[in-house]
Amino acid sequence: KAGVTQTPRYLIKTRGQQVTLSCSPISGHRSVSWYQQTPGQGLQFLFEYFSETQRNKGNFPGRFSGRQFSNSRSEMNVSTLELGDSALYLCASSLAGSSYEQYFGPGTRLTVT
Amino acid sequence: GQSLEQPSEVTAVEGAIVQINCTYQTSGFYGLSWYQQHDGGAPTFLSYNALDGLEETGRFSSFLSRSDSYGYLLLQELQMKDSASYFCAVFSPRRWLTGGGNKLTFGTGTQLKVEL
Repeated sequence: KAGVTQTPRYLIKTRGQQVTLSCSPISGHRSVSWYQQTPGQGLQFLFEYFSETQRNKGNFPGRFSGRQFSNSRSEMNVSTLELGDSALYLCASSLAGSSYEQYFGPGTRLTVT
Repeated sequence: GQSLEQPSEVTAVEGAIVQINCTYQTSGFYGLSWYQQHDGGAPTFLSYNALDGLEETGRFSSFLSRSDSYGYLLLQELQMKDSASYFCAVFSPRRWLTGGGNKLTFGTGTQLKVEL
């Protein structure tokens, strides 16, 4: 069974631009969560989607948004990029009801200059 | 809110036993998970404690005490490949969260260095 895939793996953007990151979960997993990982803040929860609905959102500004498609693939978007948005963005999928066991993708390393 | 504290770094020698502690403050949760992350890699699931007590999975064991708001991950027969960061995380299902949804709240992470 293929794992969670994320594209692109690396991205360099300029302040003020916007970016879209993509995540394909493990086949059969309908729950997708997104996290931001930085050296100073650790792993911070962004949002969770299930069956195309955002069920929970972390404490991030409205510039961070996401969506999930009918095939469970998910995208997250960050608008008006700031230097502080530089981070590893991780996507994780899980079976419904078993989100304590999440399968992470390799992440997208975003650098904002 | 929820917060989980872990030691930032632990060093041990190959073949030894090491315990990584996790203390938490949360208003309600289902259980405690542990994840391992090697440098440059993705976090991988290690174990989950839904109930108080010890869960054993090979060389790794995890413990939870809700009355003490405390858990730990025990690694036995340490190997060099165990050098990684380890994160505890509380699993909070939609019942206890405003707005619904499941959520994993991660601890600060512990970097384990295994030396010869």
